[in-house]
Amino acid sequence: QKEVEQNSGPLSVPEGAIASLNCTYSDRVSQSFFWYRQYSGKSPELIMSIYSNGDKEDGRFTAQLNKASQYVSLLIRDSQPSDSATYLCAVNDNQGGKLIFGQGTELSVKP
Amino acid sequence: GAVVSQHPSRVICKSGTSVKIECRSLDFQATTMFWYRQFPKQSLMLMATSNEGSKATYEQGVEKDKFLINHASLTLSTLTVTSAHPEDSSFYICSASLGAGGAFFGQGTRLTVV
Repeated sequence: QKEVEQNSGPLSVPEGAIASLNCTYSDRVSQSFFWYRQYSGKSPELIMSIYSNGDKEDGRFTAQLNKASQYVSLLIRDSQPSDSATYLCAVNDNQGGKLIFGQGTELSVKP
Repeated sequence: GAVVSQHPSRVICKSGTSVKIECRSLDFQATTMFWYRQFPKQSLMLMATSNEGSKATYEQGVEKDKFLINHASLTLSTLTVTSAHPEDSSFYICSASLGAGGAFFGQGTRLTVV
């Protein structure tokens, strides 16, 4: 069974610090990887996608992918209290866009 | 990004009644949509894959006769919770697939069965 694993947290970082969120996946042939942010009581919001090994930066967010290690991460620089949310890692199941989600990591940024 | 609209955002219904939830892709055609449910403090659980013009594919353990899915057009999928009971109370979320580009989610529907 294809799996996506994340530390559930909570991960607590001070405001202005770098938050590092990690994710591993079991299916070696996966090609597409996504990070979603979910605020309490809201639906997930796509914040990053990555398809190739290496780093992809978008503002304060950097996604990192290492297919050999089956590892994908999300770095949030200059963390703000508004970044406090649950971050979901998702991997494309290669079946018509079906995504497999990790259990999510709860991030808390303390002022 | 792509816009997916889900309606209603909240619904309270009596036990034994049915509730319909709509999911629309507003600015693109979605041949595939997905329906999830989420309990508090838990991750998303995929219920079914909705395919335009064909029957939905349900995940193991999800009752297809209880959770009716219709995907009659490229922009609309509906989920009907039939004969709802309190244990069906949950957060239901739809998403529309962009193929390898991921998926965008609707706003979610908070269902409370009393």
